[in-house]
Amino acid sequence: DAGVIQSPRHEVTEMGQEVTLRCKPISGHNSLFWYRQTMMRGLELLIYFNNNVPIDDSGMPEDRFSAKMPNASFSTLKIQPSEPRDSAVYFCASSLGSGTGRYEQYFGPGTRLTVT
Amino acid sequence: AQSVTQLDSHVSVSEGTPVLLRCNYSSSYSPSLFWYVQHPNKGLQLLLKYTSAATLVKGINGFEAEFKKSETSFHLTKPSAHMSDAAEYFCVVSDSRTGGFKTIFGAGTRLFVKA
Repeated sequence: DAGVIQSPRHEVTEMGQEVTLRCKPISGHNSLFWYRQTMMRGLELLIYFNNNVPIDDSGMPEDRFSAKMPNASFSTLKIQPSEPRDSAVYFCASSLGSGTGRYEQYFGPGTRLTVT
Repeated sequence: AQSVTQLDSHVSVSEGTPVLLRCNYSSSYSPSLFWYVQHPNKGLQLLLKYTSAATLVKGINGFEAEFKKSETSFHLTKPSAHMSDAAEYFCVVSDSRTGGFKTIFGAGTRLFVKA
């Protein structure tokens, strides 16, 4: 298996622009997680999905952030409009999910976002 | 409620000496516990996991951890450090009651390995 795939790996954009980050989870995994990592705040859970349904989005910082999972093999995290304080590494992770007893998450390589 | 505390933000060891990274957890239910490693500019990689089977868990790269319920600890150890072990390590607890959705990451311990 190719593991969790994220694109792009690096994104540089100007303040006010829309940014879309993409994630393909491991095939067969039912749970998907989006995280943000910064030096100041460490690793923060933004949102997670189970069977394509958002379960908890309480970690999403504000309305500028939105996430979708239209099918089992694809998810997006969108920031509109972007701000410099959104600069961070964004990770996507997936796990087999509820009912399997297998809760370990597998992480993608991350997207390094820089907003100037 | 769940929580996880990594007792050291930084640990420095010499190559060839033992490694001990400490983690205490709190969970109202039977927890699943994990250790992840993150090398610079990389994603997080699963080192090992405890899910109510054997209390001594062996992971990759010679690491192991022991689940001690009486001490609510899940410390990570390795007998002999290698330069390639220099990285950040995260202790993680999941609440099995919620199907693993409530996952709490520790703040991380950065391991330095001196030649």
